[in-house]
Amino acid sequence: DIQMTQSPSSLSASVGDRVTITCQASQDIHNYLNWYQQKPGKAPTLLIYDVSNLEAGVPSRFSGSASGTHFTFTITSLQPEDFATYYCQQYERVPFTFGPGTTLDIK
Amino acid sequence: QVQLVESGGGVVQPGRSLRLSCAASGFTFRSYNMHWVRQAPGKGLEWVAFISYDGSDKYYADSVKGRFTISRDNTKNTLYLQMNSLVTEDTAMYYCARERTVVRGVIITILGYWGQGTLVTVSS
Repeated sequence: DIQMTQSPSSLSASVGDRVTITCQASQDIHNYLNWYQQKPGKAPTLLIYDVSNLEAGVPSRFSGSASGTHFTFTITSLQPEDFATYYCQQYERVPFTFGPGTTLDIK
Repeated sequence: QVQLVESGGGVVQPGRSLRLSCAASGFTFRSYNMHWVRQAPGKGLEWVAFISYDGSDKYYADSVKGRFTISRDNTKNTLYLQMNSLVTEDTAMYYCARERTVVRGVIITILGYWGQGTLVTVSS
């Protein structure tokens, strides 16, 4: 199975901050990498697919990039509604594994 | 608009069975691959199962293989998850999810739409 690791597991930040979350795949996933946001008590929502493509309606302060098996998710200028848990997910092969998540809370 | 509504969750004893349903609307259900994803209380997301648009291909996580069966009825626009031999570790919120796009014969697990989930609790 392809293992996905994320760091940090949690992060405290303030409105207006720039934050970066990283995700590492245990093998080449050919950039089949998505990012989801989940707020407490809600279903996840797709933010970014295929490393860097913003889903429709997602603000441009969200972005993603890749370098080999290392993936980066960035939020520039944090907004109050961005405090949530973020998951990366690979779909190179079955099983389609998620990272353990990064919880972003208010400092 | 796309809607996915799960049902069928509840409290069940270990070793028993449960069938979850996911009613789809707002899109051409028979055209899309579908998935089940679960989340244990306070834990992360775990992909559970996949079914192709026509039901011909199915894949499972090792943790549920041989116990869970994914199926669909394209005449009823409904996705199912039959869960047998349940264990306490199956306790979770179960979400159905639709792939973002349609590419026949290809699995593109970009989960663009999710239901609100149905809670399964396995407890004696």
